[in-house]
Amino acid sequence: QKEVEQDPGPLSVPEGAIVSLNCTYSNSAFQYFMWYRQYSRKGPELLMYTYSSGNKEDGRFTAQVDKSSKYISLFIRDSQPSDSATYLCAMDYSGAGSYQLTFGKGTKLSVIP
Amino acid sequence: NAGVMQNPRHLVRRRGQEARLRCSPMKGHSHVYWYRQLPEEGLKFMVYLQKENIIDESGMPKERFSAEFPKEGPSILRIQQVVRGDSAAYFCASSQNRGGYEQYFGPGTRLTVT
Repeated sequence: QKEVEQDPGPLSVPEGAIVSLNCTYSNSAFQYFMWYRQYSRKGPELLMYTYSSGNKEDGRFTAQVDKSSKYISLFIRDSQPSDSATYLCAMDYSGAGSYQLTFGKGTKLSVIP
Repeated sequence: NAGVMQNPRHLVRRRGQEARLRCSPMKGHSHVYWYRQLPEEGLKFMVYLQKENIIDESGMPKERFSAEFPKEGPSILRIQQVVRGDSAAYFCASSQNRGGYEQYFGPGTRLTVT
């Protein structure tokens, strides 16, 4: 079983729809959870990060973490064509000695005008 | 405020040649990380460096790959005697603090081995 599982999609939605992106993970030591957006042939762009369980909102984006289920989500409200990209979840252990992020493979999202 | 800079953006090497990839972290960042993204694969951690020190190279292949972050100048990822399987996008990230989260990525170097 891979440490982080993410449905690769592709996911196609109409403009204005609510988008739900998800990752599951197997390692209960993960404490920090990140979402990155990557446009084609560009570097990943950090969207949000969350520590432990709970919700975090930033504009049209909401990140949720459920550590009991080892499940994280990113919701995008009022999706726009400019949101079309690949979305990567990433996770990190807490504490000293942890430096590397563990990524999912990414979900490719297309928002159709 | 300039972000993470990487050069070259595209690099073509023949099998057996050497590839040198450069990374300048964001201003004020002293922690640098290298990741590799193979086609249809996720980003995989390779190495974490601070100035003049390799902190964690657990993701680095044991042979042909090396990394450095000198006191002056950019971080360098060096691949000797490249093979076709080294073709990938190589991303550098930097952070202000020690620790994994809140890493900011550069645009990547796309290496093609012919």
